[in-house]
Amino acid sequence: KAGVTQTPRYLIKTRGQQVTLSCSPISGHRSVSWYQQTPGQGLQFLFEYFSETQRNKGNFPGRFSGRQFSNSRSEMNVSTLELGDSALYLCASSLGQGGSNEKLFFGSGTQLSVL
Amino acid sequence: GESVGLHLPTLSVQEGDNSIINCAYSNSASDYFIWYKQESGKGPQFIIDIRSNMDKRQGQRVTVLLNKTVKHLSLQIAATQPGDSAVYFCAEGGGSQGNLIFGKGTKLSVKP
Repeated sequence: KAGVTQTPRYLIKTRGQQVTLSCSPISGHRSVSWYQQTPGQGLQFLFEYFSETQRNKGNFPGRFSGRQFSNSRSEMNVSTLELGDSALYLCASSLGQGGSNEKLFFGSGTQLSVL
Repeated sequence: GESVGLHLPTLSVQEGDNSIINCAYSNSASDYFIWYKQESGKGPQFIIDIRSNMDKRQGQRVTVLLNKTVKHLSLQIAATQPGDSAVYFCAEGGGSQGNLIFGKGTKLSVKP
């Protein structure tokens, strides 16, 4: 069974641009979560989706948004990029309805560099 | 606020020795704990998890210990191998949290 797939693997953008990252969960998994990972802050929760609905959202500005499609695939978007948005963006899927009581399976991430 | 912290940011061990990675959690209502391993260039990989109704759980070469009294979690790796070199994260969940909260990570280096 294929794991969580994230595309693209690397991305370079300039300040002010916007970016869309894509995530395909493990087949059969219906919940998708997004995390931002930086050396200074570690893994910070962005949001979680289940059945195309955002169930939980972390403490990030409105420039960060996401959505989930009927096939459970998810995208996240960052608008008006700032230098501080440079990070590894990780997508994770889980088998159940999500939340914090089940294990997450992570993709390899999208490394975003904002110049 | 809620946080998960690690006692040691780096740990260096000799190949074949046992490794112990520690983690403190702050939310006494947390009832689910999980360890991940992250190798360079990869996403976190699930190692083992434990729920609060247990104080010990064993996997292949790994053991997780949970001490709810002092809110402490540890990961023991037996006969550490070079392939175990990675950053290890603990995370807590359950309670009032809607998502897993991760610690900052401990880097494990295995010397041949």
